[in-house]
Amino acid sequence: GAVVSQHPSWVICKSGTSVKIECRSLDFQATTMFWYRQFPKQSLMLMATSNEGSKATYEQGVEKDKFLINHASLTLSTLTVTSAHPEDSSFYICSATPDGYTFGSGTRLTVV
Amino acid sequence: QKEVEQNSGPLSVPEGAIASLNCTYSDRGSQSFFWYRQYSGKSPELIMFIYSNGDKEDGRFTAQLNKASQYVSLLIRDSQPSDSATYLCAVNTDNFNKFYFGSGTKLNVKP
Repeated sequence: GAVVSQHPSWVICKSGTSVKIECRSLDFQATTMFWYRQFPKQSLMLMATSNEGSKATYEQGVEKDKFLINHASLTLSTLTVTSAHPEDSSFYICSATPDGYTFGSGTRLTVV
Repeated sequence: QKEVEQNSGPLSVPEGAIASLNCTYSDRGSQSFFWYRQYSGKSPELIMFIYSNGDKEDGRFTAQLNKASQYVSLLIRDSQPSDSATYLCAVNTDNFNKFYFGSGTKLNVKP
């Protein structure tokens, strides 16, 4: 089945710095990937849809200048959290087509 | 965001019993429905999905869909302690596999 890899699995950064998270489709080409965020004891919230070769589509309320998404190839999408603050600490998860059903292993971001 | 509602639980059942998890959704245009299991600190794992009204069985799991009532459920037969997790309901409203999730129901299966 489709395998989606995420890296890093966890990261701690200082407030004000930027963090990049990678999402890779290992055995298929993904024209579309999705980024979700999950706060403790809450459900996954869709942040944005990442489209290869074009701009990402952000859900309402998500700051596109803060969460930069780049989908430069058919197997890689990156999410950069810019000027991270403690309130950005969360579990970030990606998923990818062709089936979109499979999620990456997630990235635990802690901003101190 | 599309609204997907679940009872947060916890739902406690004894080992070997049937666990019943429920989910309602607001968008009548929703096309497909998914159940995921999520262990603490881990990414969701797909259990099964359903597109058509009625029941769909996969091993110990049965998904039930009623589009008229905008309701989907998951039954877990012969519940095991390893089934203890949070179960997430997700709906998809378009062809691009973009999902909207419920808040999840925490299931505890007691030995």
